[in-house]
Amino acid sequence: DIQMTQSPSSLSASVGYRVTITCRASQSIYRYLNWYQQKPGKAPKLLIYTASTLHSGVPSRFSGTGSGTDFTLTISSLRPEDFATYYCQQSYSVPLTFGGGTKVEIK
Amino acid sequence: EVQLLESGGGLVQPGGSLRLSCAASGFTFSSYAMSWVRQAPGKGLEWVSAISGSGGSTYYADSVKGRFTISRDNSKDTLYLQMNSLRGEDTAVYYCAKQIGDMVTHPFDFWGQGTLVTVSS
Repeated sequence: DIQMTQSPSSLSASVGYRVTITCRASQSIYRYLNWYQQKPGKAPKLLIYTASTLHSGVPSRFSGTGSGTDFTLTISSLRPEDFATYYCQQSYSVPLTFGGGTKVEIK
Repeated sequence: EVQLLESGGGLVQPGGSLRLSCAASGFTFSSYAMSWVRQAPGKGLEWVSAISGSGGSTYYADSVKGRFTISRDNSKDTLYLQMNSLRGEDTAVYYCAKQIGDMVTHPFDFWGQGTLVTVSS
């Protein structure tokens, strides 16, 4: 199984700040990497797929980069509605696996 | 508008069974792979099972293989998860998720609101 490791597990940041979350796969997954946002008590929402493609309706302050084993999610200027937990997920092979999540909190 | 509505969750004793349903609308159901993803209380996301659009291919996490069965009725636009021999570690919110295409490895572009399964005596 492909293991997905996210860092950090949590971070505190202020509105307007730039935030970067990293995700590492235990083997190459090419660009088959997706990012989701989840708010408390709600279902996850797709933000980015195939490493850098923005899902429909997702603000352009979200961006994704990477390939192979190392990936990043960047929020260019944090807004109040961005405080949530973010998960990466590999879609290269079954079993599909998620990272442990990164909780973004208000500083 | 894509909608996914799960039902069937509840409290069940260890060793018991439960069947979850997910009613889909707003898209051509048979054209898309579907999955179940669960989240234990306070924990992260865990993929459970996936099924192709035709229903001809199914896949399971090792943690549920042999106990859970995924199926779909494309005439009713409904996805199912039959869960047998339930254990405490199966306690979670179960989400059904639509995949972006017909491959089970495609990303999940829409999720239901989830249904809580609690396994306890």
